[in-house]
Amino acid sequence: DQQVKQNSPSLSVQEGRISILNCDYTNSMFDYFLWYKKYPAEGPTFLISISSIKDKNEDGRFTVFLNKSAKHLSLHIVPSQPGDSAVYFCAASATNDYKLSFGAGTTVTVRA
Amino acid sequence: EAQVTQNPRYLITVTGKKLTVTCSQNMNHEYMSWYRQDPGLGLRQIYYSMNVEVTDKGDVPEGYKVSRKEKRNFPLILESPSPNQTSLYFCASSLEGGYNEQFFGPGTRLTVL
Repeated sequence: DQQVKQNSPSLSVQEGRISILNCDYTNSMFDYFLWYKKYPAEGPTFLISISSIKDKNEDGRFTVFLNKSAKHLSLHIVPSQPGDSAVYFCAASATNDYKLSFGAGTTVTVRA
Repeated sequence: EAQVTQNPRYLITVTGKKLTVTCSQNMNHEYMSWYRQDPGLGLRQIYYSMNVEVTDKGDVPEGYKVSRKEKRNFPLILESPSPNQTSLYFCASSLEGGYNEQFFGPGTRLTVL
């Protein structure tokens, strides 16, 4: 059973607007959360991460929010650009466990 | 250039014919891992290695073997491939573990007939 869930397989957004990607997890031991971005025919690349001691982390146009009580995190992209069109994977890990669990991914399409 | 390389990039084989997918990293990373990507399932971890000679199972280890005899190399071995192992495979490495930023290879597209 998947411990990290991305319930929206796809998201379409107009250029310049905000993209919000959601991720839920079930394992309360997870304390590190990461987002990866993947273009076709390439390997995933790291985008941004957050640890459970924080509820927000920002890097340029990308912000990740963590709600531990709801076991929910979200990635905000503002403003969205055509180059942001890709598959975004949410991932989670626990400090004492070297495993990494991924969600199924959300395909973002930014329309001009 | 810091990178993770995988070979081959594409492979078509038949059921039962042993194969090895190689993975190498030049960043002196302690941690290496293999994932498979399937539609609707995202990335699933097959095996990972915390250091030389130390490996452990991920979520979907059945039908796969790994070894870590050198820090830079982490080959994935399919002793007797089956059609349900048809997938896109990624190798990745990081400084310490899954909670660190991982660097991924370009992927290996495997088809088992």
